[in-house]
Amino acid sequence: DAKTTQPPSMDCAEGRAANLPCNHSTISGNEYVYWYRQIHSQGPQYIIHGLKNNETNEMASLIITEDRKSSTLILPHATLRDTAVYYCIVRDGTGANNLFFGTGTRLTVIP
Amino acid sequence: ETGVTQTPRHLVMGMTNKKSLKCEQHLGHNAMYWYKQSAKKPLELMFVYSLEERVENNSVPSRFSPECPNSSHLFLHLHTLQPEDSALYLCASSQDPPGGIRSKQFFGPGTRLTVL
Repeated sequence: DAKTTQPPSMDCAEGRAANLPCNHSTISGNEYVYWYRQIHSQGPQYIIHGLKNNETNEMASLIITEDRKSSTLILPHATLRDTAVYYCIVRDGTGANNLFFGTGTRLTVIP
Repeated sequence: ETGVTQTPRHLVMGMTNKKSLKCEQHLGHNAMYWYKQSAKKPLELMFVYSLEERVENNSVPSRFSPECPNSSHLFLHLHTLQPEDSALYLCASSQDPPGGIRSKQFFGPGTRLTVL
């Protein structure tokens, strides 16, 4: 699976959009981009995933660049409960079962 | 509430004890996983069960022994652990169609294990 690069930490004001970047320049054509988050001392939580097109669900939006070498997770109106570590994972859809979480981005939402 | 429960939530054990961690999923999934999360380290996959058969074992020491009696339950049996095995142990499940695209994983809250 391709490696990802994320900033170690970010701050966001409550109520504003949080934009979390991820670089995955070695992504291959059959690899998906997944986002999970982990709130302190809890299990990771699935957020969203995509292959080529932008995706949106009730939690977030995922913007994938046309060359697929980077993506951005957008939390449109961040709340204090969104404070967590966010993991960008690139994974072959039919390959290994494991998710490689890396070190992620620690997002702190500030009141 | 993710539909994946783990018991106990906290466990303290001595190096000579034998204990078991339990995971139960109420989602009708066909795959279950054990992960280990040590302090300040990424999650590490330990074991994968698909349709109740172990399909992956990522070089985990034999003092960790998994058991999957049916598609809803997963155990991790622990014996003669070391202090460096202290970590958060996470269980996850997913519904993966044969030969199809791997789906998202649902995680339990974890068991915080301390080995004295």
